[in-house]
Amino acid sequence: KQEVTQIPAALSVPEGENLVLNCSFTDSAIYNLQWFRQDPGKGLTSLLLIQSSQREQTSGRLNASLDKSSGRSTLYIAASQPGDSATYLCAALASGGSYIPTFGRGTSLIVHP
Amino acid sequence: DAGVTQSPTHLIKTRGQQVTLRCSPKSGHDTVSWYQQALGQGPQFIFQYYEEEERQRGNFPDRFSGHQFPNYSSELNVNALLLGDSALYLCASSRLHSYNEQFFGPGTRLTVL
Repeated sequence: KQEVTQIPAALSVPEGENLVLNCSFTDSAIYNLQWFRQDPGKGLTSLLLIQSSQREQTSGRLNASLDKSSGRSTLYIAASQPGDSATYLCAALASGGSYIPTFGRGTSLIVHP
Repeated sequence: DAGVTQSPTHLIKTRGQQVTLRCSPKSGHDTVSWYQQALGQGPQFIFQYYEEEERQRGNFPDRFSGHQFPNYSSELNVNALLLGDSALYLCASSRLHSYNEQFFGPGTRLTVL
């Protein structure tokens, strides 16, 4: 059974810092890994999707990497801003035709001015 | 493109009642997945519909059932509500044979009293 762990659970940083959010998964047989942002009480917004054959994806100040062999993905946020405050979730999508995603519990990020 | 829409936004029910939640997928998407998200947790996969059939199911009891219509919209039904069913219910749509990137709706907040 796939298990996804996100570290740290919570993070509070001053504006301008570069951040690293970690996501680890126990079963490397994944189809893709997707990072999401969730504001309190809201739905999930897709940030980046990395296919199993890819190593990284970039969008603006965000960069996500994937190392299947070690069961890890990392989300880098450059030059953090107060508007980045949210919970960040990763989801590993199982391969082999099941396409069932397993989510981590998320990292709650606060960026203060 | 309106993206994924869900209705209602909020719902209050009492134990033992039945509830129906609705979801319209993003234009061009053929697959709808439903998730339950308890406070402070990651989303838990309930089931997925494709071509009006339930493709995959997570570890949820038969009280949870669903339906997908020819226009790809979907319903989630929960019978005999329990206090523990109180959660944010999320719908996500994707294209089954196109990287399976998931796009989420805003969710329905269900409170069971």
